[in-house]
Amino acid sequence: DAGITQSPRHKVTETGTPVTLRCHQTENHRYMYWYRQDPGHGLRLIHYSYGVKDTDKGEVSDGYSVSRSKTEDFLLTLESATSSQTSVYFCAISEGGTGVSYEQYFGPGTRLTVT
Amino acid sequence: AQKITQTQPGMFVQEKEAVTLDCTYDTSDQSYGLFWYKQPSSGEMIFLIYQGSYDEQNATEGRYSLNFQKARKSANLVISASQLGDSAMYFCAMRPPGSRLTFGEGTQLTVNP
Repeated sequence: DAGITQSPRHKVTETGTPVTLRCHQTENHRYMYWYRQDPGHGLRLIHYSYGVKDTDKGEVSDGYSVSRSKTEDFLLTLESATSSQTSVYFCAISEGGTGVSYEQYFGPGTRLTVT
Repeated sequence: AQKITQTQPGMFVQEKEAVTLDCTYDTSDQSYGLFWYKQPSSGEMIFLIYQGSYDEQNATEGRYSLNFQKARKSANLVISASQLGDSAMYFCAMRPPGSRLTFGEGTQLTVNP
């Protein structure tokens, strides 16, 4: 199994509070991704990183920011959480990002509830 | 923009029988990769199988095979000899070059004893 951990695994927070989710990998993979999973939508990409301090937006990036100061860590921040951000968040890693054949390996997920 | 369609929200199969999960995709790219992932009730996403658009042979991984029909833009997952542990959500995904993975909405498979 790919060495990917996410913390916390579960979190309940109130509307308007900041929240940071952490993804940590031990595989030294260059690419890291944050997805959210909601019923009826599958997995949707929030942000991704293609190297230390190199990040870009995905399809549902509004309300989220990311940072990557080390190869192994990729942080997702909700600056001011809203109920629409209640979701399961997955981190993924990939050895390559632009080639079509690179599969992504996923972390265990974080279940976030915003009340 | 790429689009993945999984038309079967739910599927049922008897243990030891084969089952096909449908996936169609829409892209104008000639080169792309197709992936299937399994998500059991425990929630983790497990990579199952990969097919490249230029691969001449259908991909196989143990009991999983991918029925790739490029002209029809379909990439169906075939699970042979279903087991109770195959009960899970299955996601089809596609990646064109230089772009990100796009996922379908998934198919919930239930294997009955």
